Amino acid sequence: EVQLVESGGGLVQPGRSLRLSCAASGFTFDDYAMHWVRQAPGKGLEWVSGISWNSGDIGYADSVKGRFTISRDNAKNSLYLQMNSLRAEDTALYYCAKDLLSYSHAFHIWGQGTMVTVSS
Amino acid sequence: DIQMTQSPSSLSASVGDRVTITCRASQSIDSYLNWYQQKPEKAPKLLIYAASSLQSGVPSRFSGSGSGTDFTLTISSLQPEDFATYYCQQSYITSYTFGQGTRLEIK
Repeated sequence: EVQLVESGGGLVQPGRSLRLSCAASGFTFDDYAMHWVRQAPGKGLEWVSGISWNSGDIGYADSVKGRFTISRDNAKNSLYLQMNSLRAEDTALYYCAKDLLSYSHAFHIWGQGTMVTVSS
Repeated sequence: DIQMTQSPSSLSASVGDRVTITCRASQSIDSYLNWYQQKPEKAPKLLIYAASSLQSGVPSRFSGSGSGTDFTLTISSLQPEDFATYYCQQSYITSYTFGQGTRLEIK
């Protein structure tokens, strides 16, 4: 069974950092690009960042560029999101998502999400 | 960034109804358009990719069409499990934006 399990969310003060992780199983992890997509409480969906299978192609939404860093460890079947200089507007449920193809930016499989709350 | 606008924002319908949701892009995105279904407290689910390709395992009552800037998602005969929020998303260019969502409710 294809599965993505996020972890690392929590309550953090503005300006601080947090690192999210996503553990993948049930598929050949290094065949696919991976993404982070977030959803603020009661709001819609926002793509945050994506990374190709070999980390050679990485992209960020303008809203997080320069503050967030995506990475992956294919040996550990894991995806990460390092979030620095957090702001109140970063408060959201963060989903890890598997790309449908190599780097199509269609989000095929989603985890259950990990909640990040930025508040003093 | 490309803006994605869905209409309507909410819709009431009955089991068995045929329902159409539209999505308009602020510039041409060819056929790089995907549709998702999200139920309360659940992660989104990919229904349609590349505007009209049905994702494996998705019932055939769901269909998608369009290209360029105008797209539609059609549910041919609503079932009780279809009441949810639907999002379109462009996969043409960063920032791979989503529409604001269409909430489909039971009449």
